[in-house]
Amino acid sequence: AQKVTQAQTEISVVEKEDVTLDCVYETRDTTYYLFWYKQPPSGELVFLIRRNSFDEQNEISGRYSWNFQKSTSSFNFTITASQVVDSAVYFCALREYTGNQFYFGTGTSLTVIP
Amino acid sequence: SQTIHQWPATLVQPVGSPLSLECTVEGTSNPNLYWYRQAAGRGLQLLFYSVGIGQISSEVPQNLSASRPQDRQFILSSKKLLLSDSGFYLCAWSAMGSFGELFFGEGSRLTVL
Repeated sequence: AQKVTQAQTEISVVEKEDVTLDCVYETRDTTYYLFWYKQPPSGELVFLIRRNSFDEQNEISGRYSWNFQKSTSSFNFTITASQVVDSAVYFCALREYTGNQFYFGTGTSLTVIP
Repeated sequence: SQTIHQWPATLVQPVGSPLSLECTVEGTSNPNLYWYRQAAGRGLQLLFYSVGIGQISSEVPQNLSASRPQDRQFILSSKKLLLSDSGFYLCAWSAMGSFGELFFGEGSRLTVL
C-alpha cells in the first residue's frame, strides 16, 4: 500500500493565486516525520520542511505554509501569492521511527502561469 | 558544512554496457546513504540504502548493484545496462541516528540507447 499519497498529479494556477498541495500519509508508528521537497526543472531536490508527529503546530515561512493534521493524516502545503519561480514538482515524504527509509509520494507538478 | 556530490551529471550508454555512478559526501561522518531513481520525471523509487561501510540494503531486485567502499562514498553499478535503466538517478544522505531530512545530490541523468 502507498504510504504517501499525493492525489494531485498536475496543478496550474495563474500568478498571484494561492495554491494548496495535498499530502495524505499512512503509518502505524506513533512517532514519524514528514517532509516536503521541491524539484525545480534543474532536477535537484530541495528540502523545504520537516515536521515530527508530536508537533502539530502549523508553520509559516514567507509565502509557504504547512498544515499538519494527525486526525486526517494529512500534511498539506500552501503557497500564497504564487510566483513563476514556484513552478516545480513538489514531493511529500514520510519517515517512520522504526526504519531508515523515506517514503515519497508521486509528486505534484505545479505550473504557475504568468 | 556538509555537501554531497555525484557524477557524472549526464551519461549516454549503449544497451549491454557497464555503469558506474559515484556519490561522495563531505563534512559529516557515518551518514546513511541512498540511491533513488526517478523515471519519466516523476516518482522516486528507492533502489539501495546503506547504514555503514559494506552494509547495503536492496529495495528492488534488478540488474543494478551498490557498494560502499568508504564511509562517505556510495557507488551504483551495473554490469549490463538495459533500456529500462534509463532515468534520473539521485544520491542522498541523512545523518545517522537522527531523523533529519534527506539531502540530495545534483542527480545523474542516464540514457540507455
